[in-house]
Amino acid sequence: DTAVSQTPKYLVTQMGNDKSIKCEQNLGHDTMYWYKQDSKKFLKIMFSYNNKELIINETVPNRFSPKSPDKAHLNLHINSLELGDSAVYFCASSQGGSGTEAFFGQGTRLTVV
Amino acid sequence: QKEVEQDPGPLSVPEGAIVSLNCTYSNSAFQYFMWYRQYSRKGPELLMYTYSSGNKEDGRFTAQVDKSSKYISLFIRDSQPSDSATYLCAMRVTGANNLFFGTGTRLTVIP
Repeated sequence: DTAVSQTPKYLVTQMGNDKSIKCEQNLGHDTMYWYKQDSKKFLKIMFSYNNKELIINETVPNRFSPKSPDKAHLNLHINSLELGDSAVYFCASSQGGSGTEAFFGQGTRLTVV
Repeated sequence: QKEVEQDPGPLSVPEGAIVSLNCTYSNSAFQYFMWYRQYSRKGPELLMYTYSSGNKEDGRFTAQVDKSSKYISLFIRDSQPSDSATYLCAMRVTGANNLFFGTGTRLTVIP
């Protein structure tokens, strides 16, 4: 019973394609995130949703669109993929405010060729 | 300049050694300090969590925060080969949920 699960684990696709990554958490948390980890292992936040509402939207190209159908799910859709989008994308969840710290999924390794 | 700086290493130590991992930061508003451990091809997992200044101990791990110097440390005693991983420091301000991460230090403990 994985706490934060992402699918797919690996994604190889061509430039220009559109792809989605799905994330689900069963921890009952009210806040979910997408983080991007580049080739140098640097983790940076992209988006944060609290109770299905977008609360953080860092400087991310608008080709990236998150969608939260309910507070247990946060999906990431990427349009017109570029070579520079290759990275590992992590979904995470936490209880908002001064609650628990973030728990991360296993990551989706995206390779754009 | 990144908000959180961390020496990427790599760091190699013999089994049983004491390991010291460090991060510095520039934002004095950070109040919550975390250490995450990330094994190869896995997601980061929370190791230690400290609020404001002080020390916190959990088994072989000790986290220290010195807010006056904007410096945090993680010490690992009696290091084991299973401790080989990348260690990421992270921090956030009160009332905000997003974490600011260091670049991670890759540690190898040699049997």
